[in-house]
Amino acid sequence: GENVEQHPSTLSVQEGDSAVIKCTYSDSASNYFPWYKQELGKRPQLIIDIRSNVGEKKDQRIAVTLNKTAKHFSLHITETQPEDSAVYFCAASNNAGNMLTFGGGTRLMVKP
Amino acid sequence: DGGITQSPKYLFRKEGQNVTLSCEQNLNHDAMYWYRQDPGQGLRLIYYSQIVNDFQKGDIAEGYSVSREKKESFPLTVTSAQKNPTAFYLCASIISGRTGELFFGEGSRLTVL
Repeated sequence: GENVEQHPSTLSVQEGDSAVIKCTYSDSASNYFPWYKQELGKRPQLIIDIRSNVGEKKDQRIAVTLNKTAKHFSLHITETQPEDSAVYFCAASNNAGNMLTFGGGTRLMVKP
Repeated sequence: DGGITQSPKYLFRKEGQNVTLSCEQNLNHDAMYWYRQDPGQGLRLIYYSQIVNDFQKGDIAEGYSVSREKKESFPLTVTSAQKNPTAFYLCASIISGRTGELFFGEGSRLTVL
């Protein structure tokens, strides 16, 4: 089955700096890679996703890059703000059966 | 408002007791999932169901049971056989057959005393 590794497990940055979270996956058939943000005590919510037919996707201050050859993808947050503080999860799946495998999560802390 | 509702939000259980967590969705989604979240760990899949009256074990199904008698409902029973049941449980749903946004409930925090 799919295995997703996520690094780092914790990340502390100063407000205004950039943050990068990296994930690797094992199943070359995976073709959908979402990122979820979970604020303290809340449900995870999708913030951005990328499919295997593109290498990069941006949405305002967040972007995701995908390297299918190396089987890794990354989340980039620029100009971080205190409200970006949360746990971020990457995930991977293929078209068959909606099965999402999650990474272990990254706790991002943005210091004012 | 469409969404997923989990109840109860907090639950305390004595050792040896079974407990059932409720998950209801009105999104008309076919597939539903139960995940377990432990501190500092990712989301681990317990059970999932693609259609009514059918469900499959996930990675950590031992000590848990589910049913899917209605499209809207996917309750999870944590049995006394689950060795370490204290955790945060998340229910989620998605339209079957498509990759896309997985919608989560607010979660249920189970504490075994």
